[in-house]
Amino acid sequence: EAGVVQSPRYKIIEKKQPVAFWCNPISGHNTLYWYRQNLGQGPELLIRYENEEAVDDSQLPKDRFSAERLKGVDSTLKIQPAELGDSAVYLCASSPRRLGGLAGTGELFFGEGSRLTVL
Amino acid sequence: AQTVTQSQPEMSVQEAETVTLSCTYDTSESDYYLFWYKQPPSRQMILVIRQEAYKQQNATENRFSVNFQKAAKSFSLKISDSQLGDAAMYFCAYKTGANSKLTFGKGITLSVRP
Repeated sequence: EAGVVQSPRYKIIEKKQPVAFWCNPISGHNTLYWYRQNLGQGPELLIRYENEEAVDDSQLPKDRFSAERLKGVDSTLKIQPAELGDSAVYLCASSPRRLGGLAGTGELFFGEGSRLTVL
Repeated sequence: AQTVTQSQPEMSVQEAETVTLSCTYDTSESDYYLFWYKQPPSRQMILVIRQEAYKQQNATENRFSVNFQKAAKSFSLKISDSQLGDAAMYFCAYKTGANSKLTFGKGITLSVRP
């Protein structure tokens, strides 16, 4: 079974330029997460989707970041315009629901991440 | 708000020896899960071990085991017979039973000396 696929793996851009990251979760996983991981730090949640609905986007800087998950499958995270402080690894993860629609037991399956460098 | 604290930024262990990584957390919930995730250099993060808060027995997965002290809100990971492939960043993480949000600590870098 294919894992979580992210692209691009690496991206270098000038500040004020736009950038977009794409994620394809594991088939059948209804929950999708975007995390940002700064160098030497733990991942911080940007947004969480349950199917196509964003259920937690409180940490997403909405002035410059946007995300979408069309049809509850693939997702795109966009930054426009990028700032120097946005340099980080952007991780996508997915998880399944338990039977009965209960929240999953917490095992997230991560992609390899997209490393962004803003110059 | 729930928090996860990993106060040791780095640790080192001799190959074949045992090492313990510390984690504390803060929550007012009664139904929650705790995790240790491993992130090797330039590779994707994977789950090492999971503990349900309602279970008194400490979780074990081969060479990995936890010491879950619920009253003290402590959740440490013990790695026995350390191997070179155990070198990675390790993250402690927390999730309530009510939703799927996972909160991570800052992580600890483990190096294994041959």
